[in-house]
Amino acid sequence: AQSVSQHNHHVILSEAASLELGCNYSYGGTVNLFWYVQYPGQHLQLLLKYFSGDPLVKGIKGFEAEFIKSKFSFNLRKPSVQWSDTAEYFCAVNTPGGGNKLTFGTGTQLKVEL
Amino acid sequence: DAGVIQSPRHEVTEMGQEVTLRCKPISGHDYLFWYRQTMMRGLELLIYFNNNVPIDDSGMPEDRFSAKMPNASFSTLKIQPSEPRDSAVYFCASSLHTYEQYFGPGTRLTVT
Repeated sequence: AQSVSQHNHHVILSEAASLELGCNYSYGGTVNLFWYVQYPGQHLQLLLKYFSGDPLVKGIKGFEAEFIKSKFSFNLRKPSVQWSDTAEYFCAVNTPGGGNKLTFGTGTQLKVEL
Repeated sequence: DAGVIQSPRHEVTEMGQEVTLRCKPISGHDYLFWYRQTMMRGLELLIYFNNNVPIDDSGMPEDRFSAKMPNASFSTLKIQPSEPRDSAVYFCASSLHTYEQYFGPGTRLTVT
């Protein structure tokens, strides 16, 4: 079964700082990869997804992620964070042959300070 | 579209009581998922349905939990009897063929 690791549990940044959140998965075959965001008190929303093609994926709100197959990684990046980016970020993976079952990482709590 | 609808948004109940959580998926979606989120265990998949049929319930904690999907527009998650350790936020999500899941606002359950 696949698993997802998010090594940064809590990240604190100042506004305008650059962001990179790590995500590694364990599965040797084809995967679909996702980043979801959960703002305080709200439900999960999709930031971006990777199914195939260009490994650099652009999502909403200026976020992007790069799929590096050799490293089993799908790190999330943003060049300049804003206070409104304060939220919890979840990486998730599923496999095309595994039904539609997502496996989530434990999440990274991001706090952006003014 | 109104998105995934869950009710109630908050539920407070006493230990031993039956709790029923409800979900209306996005119209036309053929997959429905139930998740539980806690500080200790993070986001866990409990069960999911495809075309109203349960596909994988391996995440259901124990026999106290049950889920049904009588039709394409409605699903329930029932806990009977409830225990304090069931306190969590329960999310419902739905998707259409693809792997992009849309989440509802969640039900915050507190069992005292």
